[in-house]
Amino acid sequence: EVQLVESGGGLVQPGGSLRLSCAATEFTVRNSYMSWVRRAPGKGLEWISIIYKDGTTHYADSVQGRFSISRDIYTNTLYLQMNSLRAEDTAVYYCTRATTITTIYDYWGQGTLVTVSS
Amino acid sequence: IQMTQSPASLSASVGDRVAIHCRAGQNIDTYLNWYQHKPGKAPKLLIYASSILQTGVPSRFSGSGSGADFTLTISSLQPEDFATYYCQQCYSHPTFGPGTKVEV
Repeated sequence: EVQLVESGGGLVQPGGSLRLSCAATEFTVRNSYMSWVRRAPGKGLEWISIIYKDGTTHYADSVQGRFSISRDIYTNTLYLQMNSLRAEDTAVYYCTRATTITTIYDYWGQGTLVTVSS
Repeated sequence: IQMTQSPASLSASVGDRVAIHCRAGQNIDTYLNWYQHKPGKAPKLLIYASSILQTGVPSRFSGSGSGADFTLTISSLQPEDFATYYCQQCYSHPTFGPGTKVEV
């Protein structure tokens, strides 16, 4: 059964850093289009980053220059390095999979909560 | 691409027919997906390419539309359908609508 399990969330001060992980099973992240999507309190879903099969990455304007998406093909894990965190980055972060470049997200993780506060 | 949804929330009863509307800021052909999201759970893909039902999704869910205007219809609302529904365009870098909360 395909599964995505996020970890690494927690409480961090403004300006701090955090790295999220997403462990994938029953498929390979290398052959998928993997994204991070977040949901801030009281708001809707917001796409923030994608890594293509060929390793190309893209980011939403709101995180460009601060966040970095990557993957480890040996452990089949997706990562999100988050730097210069702001209060508005407080959200539940989900990793999700698409099998084609047209981002139809067929599997999602349960999410990990990131709280940015002093 | 900006996405809007209407209504922002609606109250309905079991057995009701419910329609949720989604509008894209430009022509996106049929590059439109619908998701259901319940608190504390992973979002669930319901419909992709505007009208294709994802495997395992009940047939009471249907989608329609092309270009910039789309509709998700639930033909007979069931207790497990109370949730927030999002549209998402995949014509370019993905963007989601603001969501429609379906409440009792």
